[in-house]
Amino acid sequence: QVQLQESGPGLVKPSETLSLTCTVSGGSISSYYWSWIRQPPGKGLEYIGYMYYTGSPNYNPSLKSRVTISVDTPKNQFSLKLSSLTAADTAVYYCASLYYFDSSGYLDNWGQGTLVTVSS
Amino acid sequence: DIQITQSPSSLSASVGDRVTITCRVGQTISSYLNWYQQKPGKAPKLLIYVASSLQSGVPSRFSGSGSGTDFTLTISSLQPEDFATYYCQQSYNTPFTFGPGTKVDIK
Repeated sequence: QVQLQESGPGLVKPSETLSLTCTVSGGSISSYYWSWIRQPPGKGLEYIGYMYYTGSPNYNPSLKSRVTISVDTPKNQFSLKLSSLTAADTAVYYCASLYYFDSSGYLDNWGQGTLVTVSS
Repeated sequence: DIQITQSPSSLSASVGDRVTITCRVGQTISSYLNWYQQKPGKAPKLLIYVASSLQSGVPSRFSGSGSGTDFTLTISSLQPEDFATYYCQQSYNTPFTFGPGTKVDIK
């Protein structure tokens, strides 16, 4: 079974760019689609986007102007960059594998999540 | 974006109870509806995909049903480890959207 682990800074300043990495073990990065989801403290889940190791990523339109998801195949990692941060971006960020089929899919393996706080 | 509502938003139940959670979607989505369980401080866990398919390793007391706009997650006999928050998620259109969650706690 695929295992995922997020890494990155826990504290980022307003207006800066968040960079997170998800390391995949127990499977190849080229075998799945990969996704990021976030959850503000005490609130619900928000889809950020997904991508395959090739091709174009799919982003939530509400974040599209600020988000970049990319895949590093040799390292078996994928990453998230979110720019122009505000306090509203404070959340637990999860990476997950997306089992994709028929233009649909489900999130079947999740990382443990990493809390990112946006504060000066 | 496809809007999702869940009911109830919270419920209190006892071990052994039958629990039903409803998810209503703002447009027809065929069967592209998934259910997740989240315990405090933990990542969500996939329970049910495509409305009624049980994820490998998930106990058979969990079941899902529905299609179109109305879906149900049922726990046939609530166990102590089932106290958690449950989310539905549509995967018919991007952006994939989640319901607001249903918190199940101990009566």
